[in-house]
Amino acid sequence: AQTVTQSQPEMSVQEAETVTLSCTYDTSENNYYLFWYKQPPSRQMILVIRQEAYKQQNATENRFSVNFQKAAKSFSLKISDSQLGDTAMYFCASRGGQKLVFGQGTRLTINP
Amino acid sequence: NAGVMQNPRHLVRRRGQEARLRCSPMKGHSHVYWYRQLPEEGLKFMVYLQKENIIDESGMPKERFSAEFPKEGPSILRIQQVVRGDSAAYFCASSPLDQGAYYGYTFGSGTRLTVV
Repeated sequence: AQTVTQSQPEMSVQEAETVTLSCTYDTSENNYYLFWYKQPPSRQMILVIRQEAYKQQNATENRFSVNFQKAAKSFSLKISDSQLGDTAMYFCASRGGQKLVFGQGTRLTINP
Repeated sequence: NAGVMQNPRHLVRRRGQEARLRCSPMKGHSHVYWYRQLPEEGLKFMVYLQKENIIDESGMPKERFSAEFPKEGPSILRIQQVVRGDSAAYFCASSPLDQGAYYGYTFGSGTRLTVV
């Protein structure tokens, strides 16, 4: 069984600051994938970044990067130069096989 | 490419009525997944379907809930005799054959079901 845990229910930072969202997971799969999704007030689920577990190099997408620690089963998301449009719920997710398993989410607020 | 289309966006039902939620996957996607999001929670897997087949329904409640993905037309999530606890946002996602694990699905905008 897979589990995903996000221990920060809410976070708040000033615009242009850097913020890191935490995520830990547990899985019995050998080959799996990890994702961060953003859910703004519109409710749309938007894929932010993905990481293949067999790759040691941390994924990056513009201002978004991850710190993937496989042995510790940790997968944190770093947002650099945060913008007002980054305000949203952020969900960490794990996938082995066909199912995505989501964490409880972190509500991130970027203040002007 | 219109993306994953879900309708209706909002649905209000009285207790005991039936709710039908529709999902049209992205063009070329043959796998459909349904997830439920209760208020202030993450998404929970319900069911995974391919055309005319239910592959995994381990997340579906045993009673009142059913899903289908016919050869023609959208996937349907059907909830019979709705109760207040069914109030939630229901998301559909789709992925291409054999590539879903990498791409992590494309989600629709969800249907918010309110049971009054």
